[in-house]
Amino acid sequence: IAGITQAPTSQILAAGRRMTLRCTQDMRHNAMYWYRQDLGLGLRLIHYSNTAGTTGKGEVPDGYSVSRANTDDFPLTLASAVPSQTSVYFCASSPNGENTEAFFGQGTRLTVV
Amino acid sequence: AQKITQTQPGMFVQEKEAVTLDCTYDTSDPSYGLFWYKQPSSGEMIFLIYQGSYDQQNATEGRYSLNFQKARKSANLVISASQLGDSAMYFCAMGANAGNNRKLIWGLGTSLAVNP
Repeated sequence: IAGITQAPTSQILAAGRRMTLRCTQDMRHNAMYWYRQDLGLGLRLIHYSNTAGTTGKGEVPDGYSVSRANTDDFPLTLASAVPSQTSVYFCASSPNGENTEAFFGQGTRLTVV
Repeated sequence: AQKITQTQPGMFVQEKEAVTLDCTYDTSDPSYGLFWYKQPSSGEMIFLIYQGSYDQQNATEGRYSLNFQKARKSANLVISASQLGDSAMYFCAMGANAGNNRKLIWGLGTSLAVNP
């Protein structure tokens, strides 16, 4: 693994189903983030984690949960997917927070039908 | 309120010419950083350049330079000698580390098309 990896790269999900998007980084970055990107709305922060063991809510957290059990992993869970959660999801990490470069995963394209 | 504004939804430039992508920001934090990212049609987000609020000189990275005008709260990206591969979406973002609510604020992006 080099950098930040997301899985799956794409998924079609039935509404009401539970889904976890995986994100792993091998750079030992303290901060990690989940964004969704929608046409005309740009990137919106869902949840973030400044260090392992801590998480915080971003701009659009409803319907999503995260955990940060260790430095490397930051999974995003949709407890009961709805069509409005159809989006491209990006995981990102940065060494020490928002004044340093953020590295992005390749994105997960999620379609909820 | 913290905000990033990119006023140019789309831009065209001729290959080998320079182009400026506008970005203005609003923040009351004394310490902040400004970023530019490129997103080609393949979808990945690529970091281009960073400018810290206390940096005295404008940041440069190869063909990219950031025209930082603190008093005007602008952080425009200048791409010199445009190439066809520069065609992409470009996002301006701002980060601040004041307080506990840490996040990057993103603009809506500018779509750049480089014409041969």
